[in-house]
Amino acid sequence: AQSVSQHNHHVILSEAASLELGCNYSYGGTVNLFWYVQYPGQHLQLLLKYFSGDPLVKGIKGFEAEFIKSKFSFNLRKPSVQWSDTAEYFCAVGSARQLTFGSGTQLTVLP
Amino acid sequence: EPEVTQTPSHQVTQMGQEVILRCVPISNHLYFYWYRQILGQKVEFLVSFYNNEISEKSEIFDDQFSVERPDGSNFTLKIRSTKLEDSAMYFCASSEDSRETQYFGPGTRLLVL
Repeated sequence: AQSVSQHNHHVILSEAASLELGCNYSYGGTVNLFWYVQYPGQHLQLLLKYFSGDPLVKGIKGFEAEFIKSKFSFNLRKPSVQWSDTAEYFCAVGSARQLTFGSGTQLTVLP
Repeated sequence: EPEVTQTPSHQVTQMGQEVILRCVPISNHLYFYWYRQILGQKVEFLVSFYNNEISEKSEIFDDQFSVERPDGSNFTLKIRSTKLEDSAMYFCASSEDSRETQYFGPGTRLLVL
């Protein structure tokens, strides 16, 4: 069975700080990897995804993630966060018509 | 941009009652999904639906649950006899293809008393 681990439950940063959120997964087959974001009071929105090809993927709002197959990781990065990035971030693995989510990381950006 | 919509946004029900949660997927999407998130826990997959039948379901999706596409636009989740532990946020999602991105609705917060 596939599983996803997000090690940081709550991250607090000041504006302009750099961000890296960890995501590790376990799955034996070909995976599709996703980062979703949930802003306060809003629904899950796709930030970025990886299916194949270049392991460094760029998403919306300046976010990027790197797929490292040898480490089973898909960490999310942003060089300079803004107050508006305050949200909960979910890593997910997709296969066989279902997504398996990590437990989420709450990011709080202080102005 | 097209969106997945869900109704109602909140539902309060008594234990043992039946509830139907409604979703309108994005119109050209063929795959539909239900997930739930119990407060403080992970988002969990319940079921996927394609071509008018269930294609995958999790252990959570027992005989209490059923899904239906009653017409060309709606996709519903029915819980036959609700339990306290069914209290959660229920998310509907849809995708064009099984390998494609799933787009999520805003969720229905269900509270079972």
